[in-house]
Amino acid sequence: QKEVEQNSGPLSVPEGAIASLNCTYSDRGSQSFFWYRQYSGKSPELIMSIYSNGDKEDGRFTAQLNKASQYVSLLIRDSQPSDSATYLCAVRSAYGQNFVFGPGTRLSVLP
Amino acid sequence: GAVVSQHPSRVICKSGTSVKIECRSLDFQATTMFWYRQFPKQSLMLMATSNEGSKATYEQGVEKDKFLINHASLTLSTLTVTSAHPEDSSFYICSASWGEADTQYFGPGTRLTVL
Repeated sequence: QKEVEQNSGPLSVPEGAIASLNCTYSDRGSQSFFWYRQYSGKSPELIMSIYSNGDKEDGRFTAQLNKASQYVSLLIRDSQPSDSATYLCAVRSAYGQNFVFGPGTRLSVLP
Repeated sequence: GAVVSQHPSRVICKSGTSVKIECRSLDFQATTMFWYRQFPKQSLMLMATSNEGSKATYEQGVEKDKFLINHASLTLSTLTVTSAHPEDSSFYICSASWGEADTQYFGPGTRLTVL
């Protein structure tokens, strides 16, 4: 059973702080990793993808991947109230086309 | 990013009726479309994967005779919930990808309420 785990939260951070979201996965064959943001009542929207070990930065977002530890994280710098949402980690195996989504972490950025 | 639309965005129907949901890729040819269901405060659950021109592959526990999926063209996939019951009430979301592309782009979702 391929699993992706995330802390459900809620994770509360003050405005301007760094929010750190974590995700672990069980399938060592996983090759592609994604972070999606989902606002309440809306569908997920892609924030970032990462494929190689290390950091990948895009604006205020940084994804970090450690395949040896089977761990992927998302850092949000200078958090804004508009970042308050559920963040979904998704993992794709090299052997299939399907994604496995984690349960999501609810982030609340307090003004 | 790529644009995926869904129609309708919201539907309310009586128990026993069938409901069709359309998913369209607007600016690319989607070789693969995915259908998800999401209950309140829960994560996405993949229902099925459909490749254009092929039969859909259903996840374990998803009744293929109840959730009919058609992917007849590279820009359109449909999900029909047959003989809907209140327990089918959920948020149905499609996503699409193309070729060897690794990323899924999601439609806005369809909220189904069965009375």
